[in-house]
Amino acid sequence: GQNIDQPTEMTATEGAIVQINCTYQTSGFNGLFWYQQHAGEAPTFLSYNVLDGLEEKGRFSSFLSRSKGYSYLLLKELQMKDSASYLCAVMDSNYQLIWGAGTKLIIKP
Amino acid sequence: GAVVSQHPSRVICKSGTSVKIECRSLDFQATTMFWYRQFPKKSLMLMATSNEGSKATYEQGVEKDKFLINHASLTLSTLTVTSAHPEDSSFYICSAFKWDLNTEAFFGQGTRLTVV
Repeated sequence: GQNIDQPTEMTATEGAIVQINCTYQTSGFNGLFWYQQHAGEAPTFLSYNVLDGLEEKGRFSSFLSRSKGYSYLLLKELQMKDSASYLCAVMDSNYQLIWGAGTKLIIKP
Repeated sequence: GAVVSQHPSRVICKSGTSVKIECRSLDFQATTMFWYRQFPKKSLMLMATSNEGSKATYEQGVEKDKFLINHASLTLSTLTVTSAHPEDSSFYICSAFKWDLNTEAFFGQGTRLTVV
């Protein structure tokens, strides 16, 4: 079966760095997405990786290793507004998005 | 950037009535749109894939006759919750893919449905 694993909850301190990991097992691979979702709102796009390596976008970076079925989202200089759920999703060979359960990130002052 | 607009954002309806939710891609053509349901503190659950000009593909366990999907044009898909019951109360979200150099799935704002 298809499976996406990410931690349920993480806590970090304002101004620090946090890494949210995502491992996946899917039938085929057409890219991995990271989304941010605040409570009661629709997800917002953060990144899309289809090739191995690190992509940096401001305070957020995303890494992919296809051979290991592994990705991480790195958040730097954490701000209180970064408190949200972070969703990892993989597009399989049928171009369907398989969603992880999300990681709730709690930022403390 | 590309935008997907979903309407209404909130709706309260009586048990037994039907509710229609619209999802529009505003500046691109979306041959495929996806409808999700999300329970509190849970991840997105794919309900169905809506394909323009053809029948929707429903996920296992989703009742086709209860959740009617119509994708009549390249910019509009609708989800109708028929004979709604309190257990249908949920957050419904649509999304559409835009395939180009910056492939991305754009989400509508979501619809909070409450059935009383």
